[in-house]
Amino acid sequence: AQSVTQLGSHVSVSEGALVLLRCNYSSSVPPYLFWYVQYPNQGLQLLLKYTTGATLVKGINGFEAEFKKSETSFHLTKPSAHMSDAAEYFCAVTFSNTGKLIFGQGTTLQVKP
Amino acid sequence: GAVVSQHPSRVICKSGTSVKIECRSLDFQATTMFWYRQFPKQSLMLMATSNEGSKATYEQGVEKDKFLINHASLTLSTLTVTSAHPEDSSFYICSARGGPLSVNYGYTFGSGTRLTVV
Repeated sequence: AQSVTQLGSHVSVSEGALVLLRCNYSSSVPPYLFWYVQYPNQGLQLLLKYTTGATLVKGINGFEAEFKKSETSFHLTKPSAHMSDAAEYFCAVTFSNTGKLIFGQGTTLQVKP
Repeated sequence: GAVVSQHPSRVICKSGTSVKIECRSLDFQATTMFWYRQFPKQSLMLMATSNEGSKATYEQGVEKDKFLINHASLTLSTLTVTSAHPEDSSFYICSARGGPLSVNYGYTFGSGTRLTVV
């Protein structure tokens, strides 16, 4: 079955520290991977996506993610956390044969001053 | 860039009434729209996929007679919650795919609708 798993429902970092949010997927066909951010009572904003090509993807707000096929992972990183990064983050995956976007469970990022 | 407008952002209705939520793609033609439901502190659960001009495809466990989806044009999809009950209270989000973004599997999300049934 095709699925996506986010390890860690809650991540807390200090301002200025490295942010690492983990995402693993399960698929028998090539995946297309996304990271979204959601602020309270709002929709989702796309941070970055991987479809084809370069496996290191740079997104908005200083975030980046690397697609590692051998590890079936697409972890999100940011070198230095800002207070404004505190939000809910969702990893999502879709596959060419369905078009459905499947979401991970989400990770709440807390940034401490 | 692609913009999806979702309306209303908040709605409170009485138990037993119906509520319609609209999702419009403002600057592109959305060949496919998706409707999600999100409970507090949880992820998005796909309810249904709708393609313009055809019947929506519902996910397992979603009552199609309760959650009516219409995708009559390439820019508008509606979700109607019929005979709403308090357990239908949730955050509903639409997503649209189409136009130039679809080449790279782009999905654009609406801002969501907070439904409260009293």
